[in-house]
Amino acid sequence: DSGVTQTPKHLITATGQRVTLRCSPRSGDLSVYWYQQSLDQGLQFLIHYYNGEERAKGNILERFSAQQFPDLHSELNLSSLELGDSALYFCASSPDRPNTEAFFGQGTRLTVV
Amino acid sequence: TQLLEQSPQFLSIQEGENLTVYCNSSSVFSSLQWYRQEPGEGPVLLVTVVTGGEVKKLKRLTFQFGDARKDSSLHITAAQPGDTGLYLCAGVRAQKLVFGQGTRLTINP
Repeated sequence: DSGVTQTPKHLITATGQRVTLRCSPRSGDLSVYWYQQSLDQGLQFLIHYYNGEERAKGNILERFSAQQFPDLHSELNLSSLELGDSALYFCASSPDRPNTEAFFGQGTRLTVV
Repeated sequence: TQLLEQSPQFLSIQEGENLTVYCNSSSVFSSLQWYRQEPGEGPVLLVTVVTGGEVKKLKRLTFQFGDARKDSSLHITAAQPGDTGLYLCAGVRAQKLVFGQGTRLTINP
């Protein structure tokens, strides 16, 4: 158990809908990273938050947004969903900078139908 | 183009054989990490290498960081079916923890 909790574990929704994925980092970790992993693909970096502030963005679509709350949990919002958004979405947390060893949750498997 | 290039992308060998997988970049990294991911699970950190030329061992796994801190390798001795998985290297660039595309390793009994 990495200590990172992601909910829900599975999500099936229709095209055009909006969903929210939730991540609770390990206790004390200030950084949260979000990744997208499509079938047989590597991890694509989406966004990094540190102590409530956005630190870096990857190739995150405009339809996607994220935030980190004062209690350090984070949410990834995906809107106007398309079939191609079907993927595993992982969050990872890290203690602090510059230590960037990341601890991953078990992921949310999103299926858009 | 990937910031971190891993090779080979796929590797299938027999139990007991040795293997090496590589992680290469044209950029210098202050550290590189190796993770293993099993189907349906999140990646799990195996090791972090920090110093150029550093060698770290984890049972039958040997990790090396290149002298110039641009590349790393993972060597597995006497591979076992339990070593099967996706091996990922990762490094930080501009506040982004970026990953290579991974090496999918299959060890056949």
